[in-house]
Amino acid sequence: DTAVSQTPKYLVTQMGNDKSIKCEQNLGHDTMYWYKQDSKKFLKIMFSYNNKELIINETVPNRFSPKSPDKAHLNLHINSLELGDSAVYFCASSGTGLGQPQHFGDGTRLSIL
Amino acid sequence: RKEVEQDPGPFNVPEGATVAFNCTYSNSASQSFFWYRQDCRKEPKLLMSVYSSGNEDGRFTAQLNRASQYISLLIRDSKLSDSATYLCVVNGSNQGGKLIFGQGTELSVKP
Repeated sequence: DTAVSQTPKYLVTQMGNDKSIKCEQNLGHDTMYWYKQDSKKFLKIMFSYNNKELIINETVPNRFSPKSPDKAHLNLHINSLELGDSAVYFCASSGTGLGQPQHFGDGTRLSIL
Repeated sequence: RKEVEQDPGPFNVPEGATVAFNCTYSNSASQSFFWYRQDCRKEPKLLMSVYSSGNEDGRFTAQLNRASQYISLLIRDSKLSDSATYLCVVNGSNQGGKLIFGQGTELSVKP
């Protein structure tokens, strides 16, 4: 039973296309996140939702739009993909409250041709 | 200054060695601290939380010095399977659960 699952695991597409990545967690957590890890290995937060409400929105191009239909799901839609979007995207979830560690999905490797 | 800074790597050590990683953070209001481990091409996984009094989990010991804004991780009797990147992670006090990740320190344990 995978706690945080993302699909697809690999995504190879051309510049200019629109794509979506899905994430689901079965841990009963209230908060979900999207992170981007680039080729230099820095892991940076992009968005966070708590009970379907956006609570963190870092400086991310508005081509990236998260959607949370319910607290167990947080999807990421990307419009007009660019070369610089190539990275590994991780979904994570946590309980609410300070000190709660985050549990990560196994990542989506996005490659833009 | 980066929000979370770690020792540059890679650390190459023989099996059985003791190795220490250091980390500093810039936000004095930070409240929660963690060490995560990331294997090559895998997701980060929580290794341990770091408490003010220091804490130990088997061969791993974590320390926190709030005055110096410094966190450490000590690995004793290192195993081949400890080879990974170790990420120092800090949570700000008013940042809605936002975690700030250090760049990570790569550890390679050799036979």
